[in-house]
Formats: sequence, structure tokens, C-alpha cells
Amino acid sequence: KAGVTQTPRYLIKTRGQQVTLSCSPISGHRSVSWYQQTPGQGLQFLFEYFSETQRNKGNFPGRFSGRQFSNSRSEMNVSTLELGDSALYLCASSLGLAGDGETQYFGPGTRLLVL
Amino acid sequence: AQSVTQLGSHVSVSEGALVLLRCNYSSSVPPYLFWYVQYPNQGLQLLLKYTTGATLVKGINGFEAEFKKSETSFHLTKPSAHMSDAAEYFCAVSDAAGNKLTFGGGTRVLVKP
Repeated sequence: KAGVTQTPRYLIKTRGQQVTLSCSPISGHRSVSWYQQTPGQGLQFLFEYFSETQRNKGNFPGRFSGRQFSNSRSEMNVSTLELGDSALYLCASSLGLAGDGETQYFGPGTRLLVL
Repeated sequence: AQSVTQLGSHVSVSEGALVLLRCNYSSSVPPYLFWYVQYPNQGLQLLLKYTTGATLVKGINGFEAEFKKSETSFHLTKPSAHMSDAAEYFCAVSDAAGNKLTFGGGTRVLVKP
């Protein structure tokens, strides 16, 4: 089975722009979660989607949003980019919800640099 | 609220020596516990997980972890370190109350020849 894929792998944007990141989960997985990884804050949970519905959201401003499509593919969007949004954004897919103890399988990440 | 504390942000071990990475968690309900490894410029790879049942869990690459409820710990060990074990290791917890996967701060392992 193919693993979790994320596109693009690298991205450079300037402050004020917006960005959309894409994640294709493992076939058959219905849950997709997003995380932000930075040296200072570590791995922080952004949101989890299951069957096209947002099931949980982390403590991030409204500039961070996401969605999930009927084929379980997911996108996350960050509007009005700030320098502090520079990070590795990781997507993870699982058969079911994190709260049910399902294993999450991670993609390679998208590294975003905001100038 | 669930939380994870990993003691030691950096650990240095000699090749062939024991690897011990410490993880303590906080959870108001029975937890699900995970260890992941991250190599440079890559995503996270699952080493092992605990859900229910046997408290000693064996994972890939010779790693194992023991769930100790009384100590709220889930320490990761490997009897003999290999150069390829150099990476960053993350402990994580999820539960039905928090409904998300929460990570510790990570421990970077350096293996000396």
C-alpha cells in the first residue's frame, strides 16, 4: 500500500500571502490529522477530520483551516501568513479516530518558509 | 487534559550500550500510548504502541516499552544501540477524553562509535 503523501514538499511564501497544503491518506483510511512542527514549540495538533467532518481542533488562530473531501484527501489552508508560520506541516492518516487509539501514519511533511 | 513529558531533550549513548528514553504521561482516562521515531527531513515512523493487555510492548528495530500505570510512565528501551538509532524520538498519548494525539517534546539520540 502506498503511504501518506503530501504536496508540495517545500514551499516559500512571503508574509501576508496564503498557502494550501495537500494530503493524500493511505487507501481505506478515513481520518486525517494535521500537525505543525517547529524547533521551539515541537509537535502541535492542528485538527482532525473524519468522514469530511472536523472532529477536533487545536489551539491555533482562525487563519488555519482545513477540509476533507469524500475520497478522504485533505487540504489545510493558512491565510495571511506570518513569519512564525514557518514550520514543517505533517499530515497523518488512520483508520479511525485518535481518541479511539488508532495508529496514525505520517507523511513526509511540507516544509513552509515564510519570508 | 492529556500531556506528555519526556525527560532529557538530548541523550548520548555509545554503540552497543543500553538506550533508555523516559516518558511520563497524564491522562484522566485509560490512555493509548505511542513511541514514534523521526529521522532528519522525514515524517514520523511508529515504533510501538500500547492500547490494552500486555504491559510490555515490543516494537520494530529491537525497541520495547513498558506501560506502568502506577508510575504513569511508558519508557522506551533498546538493549544495544546501533549507529542507525541516531534520530529524534517522540512519546505520544491519546485518549477518549482528549480525542487527539498529544506529543512530548522529543528526545534526540546521539550514538557514539
